[in-house]
Amino acid sequence: QQQVKQSPQSLIVQKGGISIINCAYENTAFDYFPWYQQFPGKGPALLIAIRPDVSEKKEGRFTISFNKSAKQFSLHIMDSQPGDSATYFCAASNAGGTSYGKLTFGQGTILTVHP
Amino acid sequence: NAGVMQNPRHLVRRRGQEARLRCSPMKGHSHVYWYRQLPEEGLKFMVYLQKENIIDESGMPKERFSAEFPKEGPSILRIQQVVRGDSAAYFCASSESRGNTIYFGEGSWLTVV
Repeated sequence: QQQVKQSPQSLIVQKGGISIINCAYENTAFDYFPWYQQFPGKGPALLIAIRPDVSEKKEGRFTISFNKSAKQFSLHIMDSQPGDSATYFCAASNAGGTSYGKLTFGQGTILTVHP
Repeated sequence: NAGVMQNPRHLVRRRGQEARLRCSPMKGHSHVYWYRQLPEEGLKFMVYLQKENIIDESGMPKERFSAEFPKEGPSILRIQQVVRGDSAAYFCASSESRGNTIYFGEGSWLTVV
């Protein structure tokens, strides 16, 4: 029940294309869904996050879509750039219960954007 | 404003030795979290601490691992009698309170030989 399943494991996109990464969760107590970007040898950096009271959130080229009934959420990267090449992790926590910071992470998606 | 500081960045230990990883949270942050990332895997929650208190240690292995966050000084993750399976990246994160976004440090890479 604590798992967050992420797909695909790896993704190759051409410059200017749209990158889409999907996550699914089981625990209905989860109420905070962030996405993190991680470069090799670095720590995860928060990209964008959403709460279940909205179905979509957009920040620049990054959009989270959230489907509460299906228990799924996804990250869309518009106009993908080579500098976006990194590993992306979805995560979830029961912010209203334990804390924002006790996160359950997906397995990660390695994104490669070709010039 | 300095970010979350972790040291050492890289640590090599022989089997059976002890590893101590340190984490200084961001200024003004009194909540610290430790995560472990095994090769090719996502991060796994280990422990959540406030100053002088362990709030949630549900992700900590039952033996050899301990964590503290004293009133003064950094948070310490201690691994006694390390084994090869402890080789991983250990990330610390901090937040201002339990209801705020957490920010990760750059990690400490432990290699057990």
